[in-house]
Amino acid sequence: DSGVTQTPKHLITATGQRVTLRCSPRSGDLSVYWYQQSLDQGLQFLIQYYNGEERAKGNILERFSAQQFPDLHSELNLSSLELGDSALYFCASSVGSDRKQPQHFGDGTRLSIL
Amino acid sequence: GQQLNQSPQSMFIQEGEDVSMNCTSSSIFNTWLWYKQDPGEGPVLLIALYKAGELTSNGRLTAQFGITRKDSFLNISASIPSDVGIYFCAGQVSGAGSYQLTFGKGTKLSVIP
Repeated sequence: DSGVTQTPKHLITATGQRVTLRCSPRSGDLSVYWYQQSLDQGLQFLIQYYNGEERAKGNILERFSAQQFPDLHSELNLSSLELGDSALYFCASSVGSDRKQPQHFGDGTRLSIL
Repeated sequence: GQQLNQSPQSMFIQEGEDVSMNCTSSSIFNTWLWYKQDPGEGPVLLIALYKAGELTSNGRLTAQFGITRKDSFLNISASIPSDVGIYFCAGQVSGAGSYQLTFGKGTKLSVIP
């Protein structure tokens, strides 16, 4: 158990809809990272938050947004969903201030768009 | 987005054999990490490397951070059935508080008992 909690585990929805994925980091971690894992693109970094502030952005679509709340949990919002958004979405957390404190991953949310 | 070149893509080996996989990049990283992913689960950290030339072991696993900082390899000795899974390398360039990871596409390991 990595200590990173993601909900829900599975999500099935239709094109055009909006969903919210939730992540609770490990105790003591201030930084949260979101990654997308698809068969063709592999694991891709989306966005990083540190103590409520955005720190880094990867190839995140404009239809996607995220935030980190004062209690440090994070949400990833995906809107106007397309078939190609079907993927595994992982959250990871780390201390966020020391590269020698590596990221630990949750078990992901599997998003299926019908 | 940028990807690391990880090879081989898949391997079938006999139980008890040693395994070697590697990762190369056109960019320099200051941290290399190796993760293992089992079906239905997230990547689990195996080994972290922080210095060029560093050789680190974790049980039967040994990994090295390449001298050029553009490559890393992972060795598994005396493989066992529970080694089955997908192994990912990841590189990190940390700066301005950013610690994002760039991943290889994975090596799928199958162990034949």
